[in-house]
Amino acid sequence: SYELTHPSSVSVSPGQTANITCSGDKLGNKYAFWYQQKPGQSPVLVIYQDTKRPSGIPERFSGSNSGNTATLTISGTQAMDEADYYCQAWDSSHVVFGGGTKLTVL
Amino acid sequence: EVQLVETGGGLIQPGGSLRLSCAASGFTVSNNYMNWVRQAPGKGLEWVSVVYSDSSTSYADSVKGRFTISRDNSKNTVYLQMNSLRAEDTAVYYCAREEALWGRAFDIWGQGTMVTVSS
Repeated sequence: SYELTHPSSVSVSPGQTANITCSGDKLGNKYAFWYQQKPGQSPVLVIYQDTKRPSGIPERFSGSNSGNTATLTISGTQAMDEADYYCQAWDSSHVVFGGGTKLTVL
Repeated sequence: EVQLVETGGGLIQPGGSLRLSCAASGFTVSNNYMNWVRQAPGKGLEWVSVVYSDSSTSYADSVKGRFTISRDNSKNTVYLQMNSLRAEDTAVYYCAREEALWGRAFDIWGQGTMVTVSS
């Protein structure tokens, strides 16, 4: 079965750029989606179709996807961005979620 | 306002049954693919089931034969009937809308309802 792999944690200083990666076989041939989940809250879609942002998501969130890796980039990271981030893709009509990355803003 | 509200969670003994409801507002569930996604305590997201706009359904292998997803168009509500519950089904269950125009992103999520399977 298809798998998506995240680093378990990423740390960043306020105002710096955070890069959260997601790896999967030929992931660049699929769409990647990213969800933000803060403690005790539901997931929120922050990136869809590799690079697009839903309305209401700050411009500091951006995405890319090529080869075997999708990347969520948060520019000028703020304390409010501290959360778990999950990537997701479709594999033959099956939903696949990555295990999630905990982003800590130190 | 586009919104999903889940209800029906609770504490249930192993082998028991529970029905979760997901009431939608601001859009029509029958025009969308509607999913259930769960999250065990301290764990990641796991897809559970989907009901398509044509009423066909699909399930994760872990729940196939035990869970049934359905939809009541008159109530604009999606259900998840869970039978033969196991301890490993303990999780927060989220209802999520799948937006086809966005590559099938899960664009709207409910607040979740907690299911605890324990004796």
